Amino acid sequence: GIQVEQSPPDLILQEGANSTLRCNFSDSVNNLQWFHQNPWGQLINLFYIPSGTKQNGRLSATTVATERYSLLYISSSQTTDSGVYFCAPDTGRRALTFGSGTRLQVQP
Amino acid sequence: DADVTQTPRNRITKTGKRIMLECSQTKGHDRMYWYRQDPGLGLQLIYYSFDVKDINKGEISDGYSVSRQAQAKFSLSLESAIPNQTALYFCATSDGKETQYFGPGTRLLVL
Repeated sequence: GIQVEQSPPDLILQEGANSTLRCNFSDSVNNLQWFHQNPWGQLINLFYIPSGTKQNGRLSATTVATERYSLLYISSSQTTDSGVYFCAPDTGRRALTFGSGTRLQVQP
Repeated sequence: DADVTQTPRNRITKTGKRIMLECSQTKGHDRMYWYRQDPGLGLQLIYYSFDVKDINKGEISDGYSVSRQAQAKFSLSLESAIPNQTALYFCATSDGKETQYFGPGTRLLVL
């Protein structure tokens, strides 16, 4: 199956800082989603982005499908951004495959 | 109302007991999924169903079974619970084209 690698595994930021999270995947995909899991365990859809660039407020994402990677940008981070960020691509044959996540802690 | 609901939200059970986790969706999607998340890790696929008559095993189906009672309902059963099945369980739905939508999760503790 598809392999998914996320980096960095852990990230600590001061409030107001910017960050870039990376997701590398090993196969062609027809779907890729980014999720934020908050400290209560809830999974929140951030982006559906199999290719191209999207922006939603302080967050934006870019997927370069031909080079098999996706980036999630967080600008002007806030303490409420803390949690785990997951990248999950899908080759279309089955279901999403989740990476191991980037654990983000934003300090005030 | 939430598009994907899971019951119960929390459950404590004992080793050897049979338990069922239920999932319902109001999005009208054909595809439904069960995932498991162990502490500190990503989600792993247990079972998936592309329509009412289609059930498929995922990566970690041993010790689990499922039932697709209707388009909107997909249940996960642990036939004889064991402590290493302690985890957070998520149900999800999709139309196969775009976003998968996840339920709120069920926290299961097996003593």
